[in-house]
Amino acid sequence: EAQVTQNPRYLITVTGKKLTVTCSQNMNHEYMSWYRQDPGLGLRQIYYSMNVEVTDKGDVPEGYKVSRKEKRNFPLILESPSPNQTSLYFCASSLRDGDLYGYTFGSGTRLTVV
Amino acid sequence: DQQVKQNSPSLSVQEGRISILNCDYTNSMFDYFLWYKKYPAEGPTFLISISSIKDKNEDGRFTVFLNKSAKHLSLHIVPSQPGDSAVYFCAASIRTYKYIFGTGTRLKVLA
Repeated sequence: EAQVTQNPRYLITVTGKKLTVTCSQNMNHEYMSWYRQDPGLGLRQIYYSMNVEVTDKGDVPEGYKVSRKEKRNFPLILESPSPNQTSLYFCASSLRDGDLYGYTFGSGTRLTVV
Repeated sequence: DQQVKQNSPSLSVQEGRISILNCDYTNSMFDYFLWYKKYPAEGPTFLISISSIKDKNEDGRFTVFLNKSAKHLSLHIVPSQPGDSAVYFCAASIRTYKYIFGTGTRLKVLA
């Protein structure tokens, strides 16, 4: 089944403790992206990647890092999480950045930073 | 600066009636629009799209209307069903690149 898989689905952590949210897609998509969803703010892009080793900032990149060493994987790294990064995170992919059907999204990771 | 806005955070509709979800945008360069549907504990999924060369696109019970002069699009669901209860996001792009998402509208269809 074609899908985007995120792990973990739920995570509670403490301020300052580094964490990684993994994202993997099995559709050979070139384009991958991370979003966060917050009440009243919708989906905001954090980082995106056009292809392996090509990443760039989205609209809200502060406090996050990403890497794209393989085509299928695009992990999101929070080096020193803070409470304002408590949010619902989605990984998304598409064949390229520019797709008539938009993006395929993962099921989400709900992160709470205390 | 919110380029894509959904001014109604929530909407309740009786089963069988029409649901109308609205979306406004500010960038006149946007020429391709999508609607996504999101259930709790799931990621958004593609619902329907429209290009700026059209003013209407239908897919079964779902119809999207585009008013370019008003920079406004709407999603009509007829008839509404309880399974349509979800959060709906509109998204806009320039030539299908870098979609910008709205804030979402939570639709509740009452049985």
